[in-house]
Amino acid sequence: EAGVAQSPRYKIIEKRQSVAFWCNPISGHATLYWYQQILGQGPKLLIQFQNNGVVDDSQLPKDRFSAERLKGVDSTLKIQPAKLEDSAVYLCASSLHQVAYGYTFGSGTRLTVV
Amino acid sequence: EDKVVQSPLSLVVHEGDTVTLNCSYEVTNFRSLLWYKQEKKAPTFLFMLTSSGIEKKSGRLSSILDKKELFSILNITATQTGDSAIYLCAVAGRNQFYFGTGTSLTVIP
Repeated sequence: EAGVAQSPRYKIIEKRQSVAFWCNPISGHATLYWYQQILGQGPKLLIQFQNNGVVDDSQLPKDRFSAERLKGVDSTLKIQPAKLEDSAVYLCASSLHQVAYGYTFGSGTRLTVV
Repeated sequence: EDKVVQSPLSLVVHEGDTVTLNCSYEVTNFRSLLWYKQEKKAPTFLFMLTSSGIEKKSGRLSSILDKKELFSILNITATQTGDSAIYLCAVAGRNQFYFGTGTSLTVIP
């Protein structure tokens, strides 16, 4: 089966610019997660969708980060405006059910803010 | 507060050595514990553990869960340079996964 697709793979932007990441989960997976992984740290959950509804966005910096999952399939994560500390790998993962047995990560987008 | 703690943070061994990585957790409504290997890309799935005392094995890797003492170990025997990676432990609670910071393993030829 096809995996979780993410794009772009890499992005370099200047601080205060905007950036958007895209994720296409595995077909049929109802639950989609966005994680931020800063170098040397484990992934931190930013937002979790169940179909097109938000389950948990408690750790999403809502003043600058936004995410949507229209139609309950693809999702986009946006940062506007970016800060230096947003430099990280942004991972998307999907699972068949909420907190299902095992889930699949995409290859991630490495963001560098200069 | 739910948390997952991994130890050691980093480890350097020689090829052929055996290593044990630790993961302890405090997560309400525990559902499962997962181990991932992360190289330069996204984490790849190794094991999922839900029951205490049942060892899971895949080649030179094995893992076991102790739900009474709230920890899991990941063993790698006869290590190879290809085992060099960050090993992540994640625990599924009621609504989300909680990750540890990972253990960085370096295997020297």
